Amino acid sequence: AQSVTQLDSQVPVFEEAPVELRCNYSSSVSVYLFWYVQYPNQGLQLLLKYLSGSTLVKGINGFEAEFNKSQTSFHLRKPSVHISDTAEYFCAVSGRAYSTLTFGKGTMLLVSP
Amino acid sequence: DADVTQTPRNRITKTGKRIMLECSQTKGHDRMYWYRQDPGLGLRLIYYSFDVKDINKGEISDGYSVSRQAQAKFSLSLESAIPNQTALYFCATSDFSEETQYFGPGTRLLVL
Repeated sequence: AQSVTQLDSQVPVFEEAPVELRCNYSSSVSVYLFWYVQYPNQGLQLLLKYLSGSTLVKGINGFEAEFNKSQTSFHLRKPSVHISDTAEYFCAVSGRAYSTLTFGKGTMLLVSP
Repeated sequence: DADVTQTPRNRITKTGKRIMLECSQTKGHDRMYWYRQDPGLGLRLIYYSFDVKDINKGEISDGYSVSRQAQAKFSLSLESAIPNQTALYFCATSDFSEETQYFGPGTRLLVL
C-alpha cells in the first residue's frame, strides 16, 4: 500500500518569491511520483513526473521537483512565483506494479501581490 | 475538442435517486478511472478499468457501480444517492505505455 503526505494545506506567498511545496510518501515498492495542479474550476493537469533517472525533474511553468529516496520526499519548487500560479497542487504516487495513483490531500498555493 | 469529456458538468439530485455520470475519451487509452474529490481530502479512487472486460474496485467503491461500455466510455452510477456523495467527480485515462493520467473537467454533484 502507498500513502502520500502533503505537509501544508495552504502556503501563502508574495509574487516573485520562491516557494516549496512539501510531499512525503511511503511505499513498499519502487514508485513513480507526480505533481498535478488544479486551477479554480478546472480538472487536474500534470506538472511533472519522476519515473527513473535524474532525481531533479523539471516541469511546466518553471516548476521543478527533486526525488529523494532516502527521505522519501518529492518536494516541488519554483524560484519565483506569479499570481497565475495560485491553484491547488497535488502530489501523487504510483507503485510500479499497480498503475493506480494515490493522491495527497493537496496544498493550496496562494500568491498575492 | 477536449480529449476527456464528462457529462453532465453539474447535477443536483435528491436522496434515493439513481444517477449516472458519463465519461468519454478520444485519446485511445485503454485504462480509465473514476475519482471523487472532497475539500481537504484530495482525490480518492472509486473504480478503475484496465480494458473493456476489466473492472476493479478502488479505495471507496461502496455505493457506486461502473460500466465500461466501450474502450472510450466509462460510466459511474450511484444506485441510490445519499448526501455524503456530494462531491466533485473526475474521470481520468491513461495508456499502458505511459504512466501519466489525463483528467476530465469534472462533474459537480449535489445530493439533497
